[in-house]
Amino acid sequence: GQSLEQPSEVTAVEGAIVQINCTYQTSGFYGLSWYQQHDGGAPTFLSYNALDGLEETGRFSSFLSRSDSYGYLLLQELQMKDSASYFCAVDGTAGNMLTFGGGTRLMVKP
Amino acid sequence: DSGVTQTPKHLITATGQRVTLRCSPRSGDLSVYWYQQSLDQGLQFLIQYYNGEERAKGNILERFSAQQFPDLHSELNLSSLELGDSALYFCASSGSGQGLSSSTDTQYFGPGTRLTVL
Repeated sequence: GQSLEQPSEVTAVEGAIVQINCTYQTSGFYGLSWYQQHDGGAPTFLSYNALDGLEETGRFSSFLSRSDSYGYLLLQELQMKDSASYFCAVDGTAGNMLTFGGGTRLMVKP
Repeated sequence: DSGVTQTPKHLITATGQRVTLRCSPRSGDLSVYWYQQSLDQGLQFLIQYYNGEERAKGNILERFSAQQFPDLHSELNLSSLELGDSALYFCASSGSGQGLSSSTDTQYFGPGTRLTVL
């Protein structure tokens, strides 16, 4: 089976930096994705890591350590609009099926 | 806007009934995925179709079925509905569905259908 663990809630202030961790246990692994979901909205793709290291996309960065079965999403220069739920997801099969973590609700305060 | 469309946006029905949810993938995408999101179960993969063929199956109940048509749109059929089936149902699409080895395999989600079973 597959399981992913991430904190349920994180709170930070506007302009700060926040890191959302994700640890996973999977029978197969092709890569780790991150999605953002605002309340009532659809999950939106943020980033993907197949190899160890850091991927940077604007204010968001994602890191993966395959040996530690661990990754994180780093959000810099937080804005109020970043308040949302963030999901890590593992692509563990050749068919591209995603297994999602339970999600981390990020609250950005002024 | 991801380019994936889903209808209807909202659906309210009674226990024991049957409903059909519809999804149109992004132009050019061959793979369609269905996910269920509920408060207690989170976001769960149900089933994937690639170019009309079933490719992967997740925790999909036997009361649920899906298909992908020649024009690549997909339908998810839910029957003998129970209160616990109330959830958001998302469809996603990707280019090839072969695995996230390239940007073509990123899954783009539609706006979802909110199903309420009374």
